Amino acid sequence: SYVLAQPPSESVAPGQTARITCGGDNLRSKVVHWYQQKPGQAPVLVVYDDRDRPSGIPERFSGSKSGNTATLTISRVEAGDEADYYCQVWDSGTDHWVFGGGTKLAVL
Amino acid sequence: VQLVESGGTLVQPGGSLRLSCEVSGFTFSRYWMHWVRQAPGKGLVWVSRIDVDGSSIRYADSVKGRFTISRDNAKNTLYLQMNSLRAEDTGVYYCARDITVGALSNWGQGTLVTVSS
Repeated sequence: SYVLAQPPSESVAPGQTARITCGGDNLRSKVVHWYQQKPGQAPVLVVYDDRDRPSGIPERFSGSKSGNTATLTISRVEAGDEADYYCQVWDSGTDHWVFGGGTKLAVL
Repeated sequence: VQLVESGGTLVQPGGSLRLSCEVSGFTFSRYWMHWVRQAPGKGLVWVSRIDVDGSSIRYADSVKGRFTISRDNAKNTLYLQMNSLRAEDTGVYYCARDITVGALSNWGQGTLVTVSS
């Protein structure tokens, strides 16, 4: 089955830039989506189709992809950005949806 | 847009349960829908998806043959029939709307299923 790899945790100081990576075989040919989940809450889509933002998501959130690694970048990090972040793709080979293991972002 | 799950409860191993997800605020019959679960303290795991009229359905390997996804477009409701439940099925179950055949744009608040004797 297809696997997406994320670092378990990242930390960043307020006002700095956080970068959360997501890697997978042949990820360059897949479309990546990103979700934010705060404790006790449902996930929220923050980036879709590699780099597009849903309405209502701040411009501080951006997505990119280089080769087989996708990156969620959060600029000017705020305390409220502390959350778990998940990448996700649709795997055409199995016709399954796949989530990464998640990255816990700590704002120091 | 609102998605409201219900039906989660404590059930014994080997038991059955049916979850429901009632939606409002969008034309339910136009969108693929998914179930995603999250074990306590763990990450998100995709469970199943259904297309607009139920003619195309997919399941994660871990639930195939035990779970059945379905929908009633007249009632704006998504279902997940869960049979032969195991302890590892414990978790919060979310329903979600698929906007691009991939991205899950809207999620419910989740319903907790606990499988334990």
